[in-house]
Amino acid sequence: EAGVTQFPSHSVIEKGQTVTLRCDPISGHDNLYWYRRVMGKEIKFLLHFVKESKQDESGMPNNRFLAERTGGTYSTLKVQPAELEDSGVYFCASSQRGNYGYTFGSGTRLTVV
Amino acid sequence: ILNVEQSPQSLHVQEGDSTNFTCSFPSSNFYALHWYRWETAKSPEALFVMTLNGDEKKKGRISATLNTKEGYSYLYIKGSQPEDSATYLCVLIGGADGLTFGKGTHLIIQP
Repeated sequence: EAGVTQFPSHSVIEKGQTVTLRCDPISGHDNLYWYRRVMGKEIKFLLHFVKESKQDESGMPNNRFLAERTGGTYSTLKVQPAELEDSGVYFCASSQRGNYGYTFGSGTRLTVV
Repeated sequence: ILNVEQSPQSLHVQEGDSTNFTCSFPSSNFYALHWYRWETAKSPEALFVMTLNGDEKKKGRISATLNTKEGYSYLYIKGSQPEDSATYLCVLIGGADGLTFGKGTHLIIQP
């Protein structure tokens, strides 16, 4: 089966610009998670979708971040406008409902300059 | 909000030595616990999924134990090798399939 795919793998944007990250979970996985690792800091949870619904978005840092999962398939994470502190690696993971096996994507490395 | 504590935060170990580190979590609201091995710029690699109190799992030189009653899991590495250098993540799976990440233990193996 195909894994969790994320793109782009790398993105370099200027402060103030907008970037949209995409995550395609494994087909049939209802759970989809976004998290990020800012340089030198711990990995932080951003939010959790169950199908198209936001189950938990307590980790979203501020209103510059907008996540969507229309139709319960792929998800996008938009950062607008991007700030320097948004630089880091953004990961996506998915799992089936009630299954504790999580599959991680390879991540998108975002650099804001 | 669940609190998952990992200690130590970082660890330097001489090649060939064995080591272990800890993941602590609230004993209530426990569903499962994952250990991941993480290298910078790579996806975390799943090591173990622990679900039952008393679970002991082994993968090569790495093993893990789980005590859900007292709320901790140990990860052991026997005979450390340079390729073991990485950050080891503990992730708690709580209710509603929620994930809580520990901050990781950064392991450096010194030749």
